[in-house]
Amino acid sequence: GESVGLHLPTLSVQEGDNSIINCAYSNSASDYFIWYKQESGKGPQFIIDIRSNMDKRQGQRVTVLLNKTVKHLSLQIAATQPGDSAVYFCAENIGSGGSYIPTFGRGTSLIVHP
Amino acid sequence: GAVVSQHPSRVICKSGTSVKIECRSLDFQATTMFWYRQFPKQSLMLMATSNEGSKATYEQGVEKDKFLINHASLTLSTLTVTSAHPEDSSFYICSARKGGLGTEAFFGQGTRLTVV
Repeated sequence: GESVGLHLPTLSVQEGDNSIINCAYSNSASDYFIWYKQESGKGPQFIIDIRSNMDKRQGQRVTVLLNKTVKHLSLQIAATQPGDSAVYFCAENIGSGGSYIPTFGRGTSLIVHP
Repeated sequence: GAVVSQHPSRVICKSGTSVKIECRSLDFQATTMFWYRQFPKQSLMLMATSNEGSKATYEQGVEKDKFLINHASLTLSTLTVTSAHPEDSSFYICSARKGGLGTEAFFGQGTRLTVV
Protein backbone atom coordinates (compact mmCIF):
# COMPACT_ATOMS: atom_id res chain seq x y z
CA GLY A 1 0.00 0.00 0.00
CA GLU A 2 0.86 3.64 0.03
CA SER A 3 3.65 4.76 2.32
CA VAL A 4 2.04 7.70 4.03
CA GLY A 5 4.71 9.98 5.37
CA LEU A 6 7.20 9.82 2.52
CA HIS A 7 7.80 12.91 0.43
CA LEU A 8 5.67 13.41 -2.65
CA PRO A 9 6.79 12.22 -6.07
CA THR A 10 6.65 14.84 -8.80
CA LEU A 11 5.34 14.72 -12.34
CA SER A 12 6.39 17.56 -14.67
CA VAL A 13 4.57 18.05 -17.97
CA GLN A 14 4.25 20.67 -20.65
CA GLU A 15 1.02 22.58 -21.10
CA GLY A 16 -1.22 20.73 -23.52
CA ASP A 17 0.23 17.30 -22.80
CA ASN A 18 -1.79 14.53 -21.23
CA SER A 19 -0.89 13.63 -17.65
CA ILE A 20 -1.18 10.26 -15.98
CA ILE A 21 -0.99 10.02 -12.22
CA ASN A 22 -0.84 6.62 -10.60
CA CYS A 23 -1.86 5.34 -7.21
CA ALA A 24 -1.66 1.99 -5.47
CA TYR A 25 -4.16 1.25 -2.75
CA SER A 26 -3.78 -1.11 0.12
CA ASN A 27 -7.07 -2.76 0.97
CA SER A 28 -8.57 -5.25 -1.43
CA ALA A 29 -11.91 -4.76 0.33
CA SER A 30 -12.07 -1.06 -0.60
CA ASP A 31 -14.88 -0.47 -3.04
CA TYR A 32 -15.11 3.26 -3.49
CA PHE A 33 -12.29 5.52 -4.61
CA ILE A 34 -11.92 9.25 -5.04
CA TRP A 35 -9.29 11.45 -6.62
CA TYR A 36 -8.64 14.78 -4.96
CA LYS A 37 -6.72 17.86 -6.05
CA GLN A 38 -5.01 19.93 -3.39
CA GLU A 39 -3.60 23.35 -4.09
CA SER A 40 -1.02 24.86 -1.79
CA GLY A 41 -2.48 25.88 1.55
CA LYS A 42 -5.94 24.58 0.79
CA GLY A 43 -8.02 21.54 1.55
CA PRO A 44 -8.51 18.70 -0.95
CA GLN A 45 -11.01 19.25 -3.73
CA PHE A 46 -13.06 16.41 -5.22
CA ILE A 47 -12.21 15.59 -8.84
CA ILE A 48 -13.80 12.27 -9.70
CA ASP A 49 -14.83 9.06 -8.03
CA ILE A 50 -15.25 5.44 -9.08
CA ARG A 51 -16.82 2.39 -7.56
CA SER A 52 -15.29 -1.04 -7.67
CA ASN A 53 -17.94 -2.36 -10.03
CA MET A 54 -16.46 -0.12 -12.72
CA ASP A 55 -13.02 -0.08 -14.33
CA LYS A 56 -13.25 3.30 -16.00
CA ARG A 57 -15.06 6.56 -15.47
CA GLN A 58 -14.79 9.79 -17.40
CA GLY A 59 -15.37 13.35 -16.38
CA GLN A 60 -14.53 16.65 -17.94
CA ARG A 61 -10.90 16.30 -19.14
CA VAL A 62 -10.30 13.59 -16.55
CA THR A 63 -10.54 9.82 -16.65
CA VAL A 64 -10.05 7.41 -13.79
CA LEU A 65 -9.04 3.82 -14.38
CA LEU A 66 -9.34 1.13 -11.75
CA ASN A 67 -7.53 -2.19 -11.82
CA LYS A 68 -8.71 -4.22 -8.87
CA THR A 69 -6.49 -7.17 -9.70
CA VAL A 70 -3.35 -5.22 -8.90
CA LYS A 71 -5.03 -2.64 -6.65
CA HIS A 72 -4.11 0.27 -8.87
CA LEU A 73 -5.80 3.51 -9.81
CA SER A 74 -4.80 6.07 -12.36
CA LEU A 75 -5.97 9.58 -13.11
CA GLN A 76 -5.60 10.83 -16.63
CA ILE A 77 -5.82 14.55 -17.30
CA ALA A 78 -6.22 15.55 -20.92
CA ALA A 79 -4.67 18.72 -22.32
CA THR A 80 -3.08 19.65 -19.03
CA GLN A 81 -3.19 23.33 -18.14
CA PRO A 82 -1.08 25.42 -15.73
CA GLY A 83 -4.10 25.62 -13.44
CA ASP A 84 -3.89 21.87 -13.02
CA SER A 85 -0.64 22.25 -11.11
CA ALA A 86 -1.34 20.86 -7.64
CA VAL A 87 -0.91 17.76 -5.53
CA TYR A 88 -3.20 14.89 -6.46
CA PHE A 89 -4.27 12.24 -4.00
CA CYS A 90 -6.24 9.09 -4.42
CA ALA A 91 -8.35 8.05 -1.46
CA GLU A 92 -9.69 4.61 -0.88
CA ASN A 93 -12.76 4.32 1.23
CA ILE A 94 -12.29 1.66 3.82
CA GLY A 95 -15.31 0.34 5.65
CA SER A 96 -18.72 -0.47 4.33
CA GLY A 97 -21.80 1.48 3.46
CA GLY A 98 -22.27 4.46 5.71
CA SER A 99 -19.10 3.81 7.64
CA TYR A 100 -16.71 4.69 4.84
CA ILE A 101 -13.50 6.31 6.02
CA PRO A 102 -11.43 8.10 3.35
CA THR A 103 -7.81 6.98 3.56
CA PHE A 104 -5.32 8.90 1.49
CA GLY A 105 -2.49 7.63 -0.61
CA ARG A 106 0.90 9.29 -0.85
CA GLY A 107 0.01 11.84 -3.48
CA THR A 108 1.75 13.16 -6.56
CA SER A 109 2.79 16.73 -7.20
CA LEU A 110 1.88 17.76 -10.76
CA ILE A 111 3.82 20.66 -12.24
CA VAL A 112 2.61 22.04 -15.56
CA HIS A 113 5.05 24.18 -17.50
CA PRO A 114 3.57 26.80 -19.82
CA GLY B 1 -22.65 21.90 -3.71
CA ALA B 2 -21.69 20.92 -0.19
CA VAL B 3 -19.57 23.43 1.68
CA VAL B 4 -17.42 22.77 4.69
CA SER B 5 -16.02 25.78 6.48
CA GLN B 6 -13.05 25.60 8.78
CA HIS B 7 -12.03 28.35 11.19
CA PRO B 8 -9.53 29.79 11.74
CA SER B 9 -7.51 29.37 8.56
CA ARG B 10 -4.32 30.31 10.36
CA VAL B 11 -3.43 30.49 14.02
CA ILE B 12 -0.27 31.12 15.95
CA CYS B 13 -0.16 30.21 19.60
CA LYS B 14 2.37 29.98 22.37
CA SER B 15 3.65 26.68 23.72
CA GLY B 16 1.50 25.36 26.51
CA THR B 17 -1.71 27.02 25.38
CA SER B 18 -4.74 25.37 23.80
CA VAL B 19 -6.21 26.06 20.40
CA LYS B 20 -9.68 25.26 19.12
CA ILE B 21 -10.41 24.66 15.46
CA GLU B 22 -13.99 24.64 14.20
CA CYS B 23 -15.41 22.69 11.30
CA ARG B 24 -18.88 23.49 10.04
CA SER B 25 -20.97 21.96 7.30
CA LEU B 26 -22.81 24.96 5.93
CA ASP B 27 -25.50 23.48 3.72
CA PHE B 28 -25.89 19.90 4.83
CA GLN B 29 -26.03 17.79 7.96
CA ALA B 30 -22.87 15.85 8.56
CA THR B 31 -23.41 12.58 10.35
CA THR B 32 -19.69 11.92 10.33
CA MET B 33 -16.70 14.22 10.41
CA PHE B 34 -13.06 13.38 10.00
CA TRP B 35 -9.97 15.21 11.22
CA TYR B 36 -6.70 14.95 9.34
CA ARG B 37 -3.22 16.25 9.90
CA GLN B 38 -0.83 17.06 7.09
CA PHE B 39 2.87 17.85 7.29
CA PRO B 40 4.56 19.75 4.45
CA LYS B 41 4.82 17.75 1.23
CA GLN B 42 3.18 14.74 2.82
CA SER B 43 -0.17 13.07 2.65
CA LEU B 44 -3.18 13.57 4.86
CA MET B 45 -3.08 11.36 7.92
CA LEU B 46 -6.37 10.53 9.56
CA MET B 47 -6.42 11.49 13.22
CA ALA B 48 -9.94 10.64 14.24
CA THR B 49 -13.49 10.01 13.11
CA SER B 50 -16.39 11.55 14.94
CA ASN B 51 -20.07 10.82 14.74
CA GLU B 52 -22.57 13.31 15.99
CA GLY B 53 -23.46 12.76 19.62
CA SER B 54 -20.88 10.09 20.31
CA LYS B 55 -17.22 9.91 21.25
CA ALA B 56 -14.64 10.20 18.54
CA THR B 57 -12.70 7.19 17.36
CA TYR B 58 -9.00 7.96 17.31
CA GLU B 59 -6.42 6.40 15.05
CA GLN B 60 -3.55 4.49 16.57
CA GLY B 61 -0.89 6.80 17.92
CA VAL B 62 -3.13 9.85 18.23
CA GLU B 63 -3.48 11.04 21.81
CA LYS B 64 -7.12 11.58 22.59
CA ASP B 65 -6.34 13.70 25.64
CA LYS B 66 -4.22 16.02 23.56
CA PHE B 67 -6.50 16.30 20.55
CA LEU B 68 -9.98 16.76 21.95
CA ILE B 69 -12.76 16.30 19.44
CA ASN B 70 -16.34 17.33 20.00
CA HIS B 71 -19.16 16.73 17.51
CA ALA B 72 -22.08 18.19 19.38
CA SER B 73 -24.33 18.89 16.41
CA LEU B 74 -24.86 17.72 12.86
CA THR B 75 -23.17 20.82 11.51
CA LEU B 76 -20.27 21.43 13.89
CA SER B 77 -17.22 19.55 15.05
CA THR B 78 -14.32 21.05 16.96
CA LEU B 79 -10.73 19.95 17.43
CA THR B 80 -8.91 21.35 20.44
CA VAL B 81 -5.16 20.98 20.59
CA THR B 82 -4.36 21.09 24.27
CA SER B 83 -1.04 22.18 25.77
CA ALA B 84 0.33 22.77 22.30
CA HIS B 85 4.00 22.27 21.53
CA PRO B 86 6.03 23.25 18.47
CA GLU B 87 5.84 19.68 17.15
CA ASP B 88 2.06 20.10 16.95
CA SER B 89 2.59 22.73 14.27
CA SER B 90 0.91 21.37 11.18
CA PHE B 91 -1.94 21.77 8.70
CA TYR B 92 -5.16 20.41 10.16
CA ILE B 93 -8.01 19.57 7.80
CA CYS B 94 -11.54 18.52 8.58
CA SER B 95 -13.92 16.63 6.38
CA ALA B 96 -17.64 16.05 6.61
CA ARG B 97 -19.81 13.36 5.11
CA LYS B 98 -23.52 13.58 4.56
CA GLY B 99 -24.23 9.99 5.30
CA GLY B 100 -25.63 7.18 3.26
CA LEU B 101 -23.86 4.65 1.18
CA GLY B 102 -20.61 5.66 -0.44
CA THR B 103 -21.16 9.38 -0.25
CA GLU B 104 -18.07 11.46 -0.70
CA ALA B 105 -16.54 13.48 2.08
CA PHE B 106 -16.23 17.24 1.61
CA PHE B 107 -13.19 19.02 2.93
CA GLY B 108 -12.63 22.27 4.73
CA GLN B 109 -9.95 24.69 3.63
CA GLY B 110 -7.61 23.65 6.42
CA THR B 111 -6.07 25.38 9.43
CA ARG B 112 -2.38 26.20 9.58
CA LEU B 113 -1.32 25.92 13.22
CA THR B 114 2.02 27.32 14.27
CA VAL B 115 3.13 26.85 17.87
CA VAL B 116 5.93 29.14 18.99
